[in-house]
Amino acid sequence: DTAVSQTPKYLVTQMGNDKSIKCEQNLGHDTMYWYKQDSKKFLKIMFSYNNKELIINETVPNRFSPKSPDKAHLNLHINSLELGDSAVYFCASSQAPTVTYEQYFGPGTRLTVT
Amino acid sequence: AQSVAQPEDQVNVAEGNPLTVKCTYSVSGNPYLFWYVQYPNRGLQFLLKYITGDNLVKGSYGFEAEFNKSQTSFHLKKPSALVSDSALYFCAVRDINGNAGNMLTFGGGTRLMVKP
Repeated sequence: DTAVSQTPKYLVTQMGNDKSIKCEQNLGHDTMYWYKQDSKKFLKIMFSYNNKELIINETVPNRFSPKSPDKAHLNLHINSLELGDSAVYFCASSQAPTVTYEQYFGPGTRLTVT
Repeated sequence: AQSVAQPEDQVNVAEGNPLTVKCTYSVSGNPYLFWYVQYPNRGLQFLLKYITGDNLVKGSYGFEAEFNKSQTSFHLKKPSALVSDSALYFCAVRDINGNAGNMLTFGGGTRLMVKP
């Protein structure tokens, strides 16, 4: 069984479009995250949610809006896509928002903006 | 602010030889340290972590890492490399005095190539 799943795996779209990436975890974890990995493999946290509530919002343009309908899901909606948004986006989860719990990552969504 | 440095973009090792992937960190307080591995087209997988206690931490797939506070390092090691260990390795740190939310700062990654 897949612990953390993301859809779609690949997403190719044009500048200015709006798109969403979905994430689901079946681990019963309380905390979920979104990360962005750029072309140089640099990985940076974007958001962190605990029990459907936002607890971290790093310096991310407000075109990015996470939504957590329940604690098993954390979706990422991106408005007015730009070329610089091209990256691999990873969803992750952990049992709780404390550092003693490791994070489990999804397989990633490769977003290409043309 | 917390930061992590992985000084080597790539490490090449022959199969059967010991391997070391280097990581140094900077935090204002005591660190929590992690190693993750990323195989091609896959998400990151947790390998091991240092929270407190014994400086030598053992993890998955025969990997271990040694926490060295004086050198602010947390190098990943394995006594005998396998070709299947070839992947991208990330070191990550969290400051014990950091804000809420379990925010990890990742290093830039080191590609490990194990040749037969």
